[in-house]
Amino acid sequence: KQEVTQIPAALSVPEGENLVLNCSFTDSAIYNLQWFRQDPGKGLTSLLLIQSSQREQTSGRLNASLDKSSGRSTLYIAASQPGDSATYLCAGVSGNTPLVFGKGTRLSVIA
Amino acid sequence: EPEVTQTPSHQVTQMGQEVILRCVPISNHLYFYWYRQILGQKVEFLVSFYNNEISEKSEIFDDQFSVERPDGSNFTLKIRSTKLEDSAMYFCASRETGPGNTIYFGEGSWLTVV
Repeated sequence: KQEVTQIPAALSVPEGENLVLNCSFTDSAIYNLQWFRQDPGKGLTSLLLIQSSQREQTSGRLNASLDKSSGRSTLYIAASQPGDSATYLCAGVSGNTPLVFGKGTRLSVIA
Repeated sequence: EPEVTQTPSHQVTQMGQEVILRCVPISNHLYFYWYRQILGQKVEFLVSFYNNEISEKSEIFDDQFSVERPDGSNFTLKIRSTKLEDSAMYFCASRETGPGNTIYFGEGSWLTVV
């Protein structure tokens, strides 16, 4: 059964800093991994999807990597801005099982 | 950009009452999901729906829950007799085809059972 863990639970950084959010998963037969952003009381906005055959995906200032052998994914945010403040969730799909979510990392970017 | 829409955004209901949460998935999508998030906890899978039937469900999705696609556009989650512990944000999601594709989520319906 897939388990997804995200560390740290919360992170506070000054504006402009580059940062890395970590996600680990237990089932290396992961099919794909998706990163989401969640603002307080809001829905889940998909940021990036990485297929198992890919090592990374980029969208603007975001770069996500996937290492199946170590059971890890990272989300890199370059030149962070206060508008990046949100909770970031990773979720994995293994075979036909539905998305399994981590608990998220709550990011605060201080101006 | 196409999006998943959910109604209501917030509902308060008495314990024991029936609740129906509604969703309009993205129009060309074939796979539909309901997830829930209790305050401060992980997003949890409830049920997946494909080809007009449930394809998978979690332990949470007991006999009190049901899903329906009454027409070509709506996808509903019904809770027959709500309990206090059903209070949560309920998310609808949809996906175009197979597991390699992005799953898109709606803004959620916040259910408060009193």
